[in-house]
Amino acid sequence: KNEVEQSPQNLTAQEGEFITINCSYSVGISALHWLQQHPGGGIVSLFMLSSGKKKHGRLIATINIQEKHSSLHITASHPRDSAVYICAVLMDSNYQLIWGAGTKLIIKP
Amino acid sequence: DAGVIQSPRHEVTEMGQEVTLRCKPISGHDYLFWYRQTMMRGLELLIYFNNNVPIDDSGMPEDRFSAKMPNASFSTLKIQPSEPRDSAVYFCASSSSFLLGSPLHFGNGTRLTVT
Repeated sequence: KNEVEQSPQNLTAQEGEFITINCSYSVGISALHWLQQHPGGGIVSLFMLSSGKKKHGRLIATINIQEKHSSLHITASHPRDSAVYICAVLMDSNYQLIWGAGTKLIIKP
Repeated sequence: DAGVIQSPRHEVTEMGQEVTLRCKPISGHDYLFWYRQTMMRGLELLIYFNNNVPIDDSGMPEDRFSAKMPNASFSTLKIQPSEPRDSAVYFCASSSSFLLGSPLHFGNGTRLTVT
């Protein structure tokens, strides 16, 4: 079993839909990162979370430390949101960064 | 700030040649990471530095790979000799206070093709 599991692996939705991407992990962590990789290849850090919730524009990230689960939400999705969204956790035991496999999101106009 | 700067953006070379990838981290960042991304394996950490010192190089595939950080503003990843299986996108990332959970800032990557 992977230490970081993302779901779904692939998600196709219509423009305007509310999107949820999930990340579950099985290790103790000190922080969780959400990153976005566009089709062109560039990787952008979206959020770093250690507790609670963060919001940036139409993006919202939440984390439940007890349940070892985080979600990334996109409100009023747009085709330009199409990208791969990656969850990564910073382990609190050895400070290794463990990466999820990514969720490929396609938003159709 | 210009962000993390990597060069070259694309590199095509023949098997057996030496390849050098370059990275300039964001000024003031004390952590620098080298990642490799392939379709099969996703993002893999190769090595990371803290204050120019290599901390964890357990991800470096083999002796053909070496990385240096001679000063706070420059790092290189060298492959000698290169092989077709080294073809991938290589990303450099930097961070400040990474162990406190600060964000990672990625460069645009170098797409390496070894023929």
